[in-house]
Amino acid sequence: DTAVSQTPKYLVTQMGNDKSIKCEQNLGHDTMYWYKQDSKKFLKIMFSYNNKELIINETVPNRFSPKSPDKAHLNLHINSLELGDSAVYFCASSPGATGELFFGEGSRLTVL
Amino acid sequence: DAKTTQPPSMDCAEGRAANLPCNHSTISGNEYVYWYRQIHSQGPQYIIHGLKNNETNEMASLIITEDRKSSTLILPHATLRDTAVYYCIVRGYQAGTALIFGKGTTLSVSS
Repeated sequence: DTAVSQTPKYLVTQMGNDKSIKCEQNLGHDTMYWYKQDSKKFLKIMFSYNNKELIINETVPNRFSPKSPDKAHLNLHINSLELGDSAVYFCASSPGATGELFFGEGSRLTVL
Repeated sequence: DAKTTQPPSMDCAEGRAANLPCNHSTISGNEYVYWYRQIHSQGPQYIIHGLKNNETNEMASLIITEDRKSSTLILPHATLRDTAVYYCIVRGYQAGTALIFGKGTTLSVSS
């Protein structure tokens, strides 16, 4: 079984659309994260949740809204997609305070 | 911004040890040193971490200097599959604290 799974793996959409990326972890971890990796390959933290509570909310446009229905899921909803949103989005989870993060395989979003 | 400095690229012959350096001169007393790698476009993979003692696991060894201002990740017998971008990250031990990735070192292993 995949420890951290993201769906969809690829997403191609038009500017202005709204889309969601789902993330699920079956590791029993308390903390989940969203990272964005742009075309220059920089990995940037977007959000982190600990026990469903938002811990980190970096300077991300409010078009991005994370939702954690339970500890095993952290979904990312994006409104009014822009060209600059094209990137690979990685979900990750970790147990408690440790920095040992388990990453998903990424969701490649292309905005046309 | 990342609090570490790494060389942008390194080469290593297959079967030899790969020694990847990292400077973290502003590390705080309660911050750990973590190493991750990213193979092609896969999700980053945890390798090892340490506070002040040297650490070893099945993937690598981590050597931290006594003043903790620098460290070296050692892959004892590099293979072609170790070709990746390696990230050195310092992080406190607190739930929800993010890993801040820098540019990393691109390690190229060749036969």
